[in-house]
Amino acid sequence: EIVLTQSPGTLSLSPGERATLSCRASQSVSSSYLAWYQQKPGQAPRLLIYGASSRATGIPDRFSGSGSGTDFTLTISRLEPEDFAVYYCQQYGSSPMTFGQGTKVEIK
Amino acid sequence: QVQLVESGGGLVKPGGSLRLSCAASGFTFSDYYMSWIRQAPGKGLEWVSYISSSGSTIYYADSVKGRFTISRDNAKNSLYLQMNSLRAEDTAVYYCARGKGLYGFDIWGQGTMVTVSS
Repeated sequence: EIVLTQSPGTLSLSPGERATLSCRASQSVSSSYLAWYQQKPGQAPRLLIYGASSRATGIPDRFSGSGSGTDFTLTISRLEPEDFAVYYCQQYGSSPMTFGQGTKVEIK
Repeated sequence: QVQLVESGGGLVKPGGSLRLSCAASGFTFSDYYMSWIRQAPGKGLEWVSYISSSGSTIYYADSVKGRFTISRDNAKNSLYLQMNSLRAEDTAVYYCARGKGLYGFDIWGQGTMVTVSS
């Protein structure tokens, strides 16, 4: 099983600041089958990034993903008020299709 | 529009059974693999099960293996999760989600709540 470890657990930032979220895998993620999701309270998760670096349909370009192998990063270049949420990474290249434990981005 | 709608959640006693359904609309259901993902109250996301577009390949999380069964009916555009021998730790919101190739799980349902309690 591939274990995904996200850091930090909580990120306290102000609107307009840059957010950098990390996702580290216990073993190499197959063919970059790594996704990032955003979840707000009471809502289903929303796909932001797939294939480690491709933005999903309708996702603003302030969101970007990078990385390969075991180290992946989600960057939000300038935080908007609606970006404060919990973010999860997931590997979907092998079973079980594990999620990280999440990073909460909160308003400082 | 493209949509997934879950149903079938509710309150069940430990050891009981429940069958969840996920109705798909607005896209060619048989082109997509599907998964069930759950979220316990106040906790993170946990992948539960996967089924390929044809139904020929199925995977389960160890936590549900032998108790849950995933299936699909492409003619009815529907996904199912039969849950037996339910435990308190199965209490969660259950989401269905679709995927295709490298594109990740791009559409999720709104979720259905399952509560296992005596």
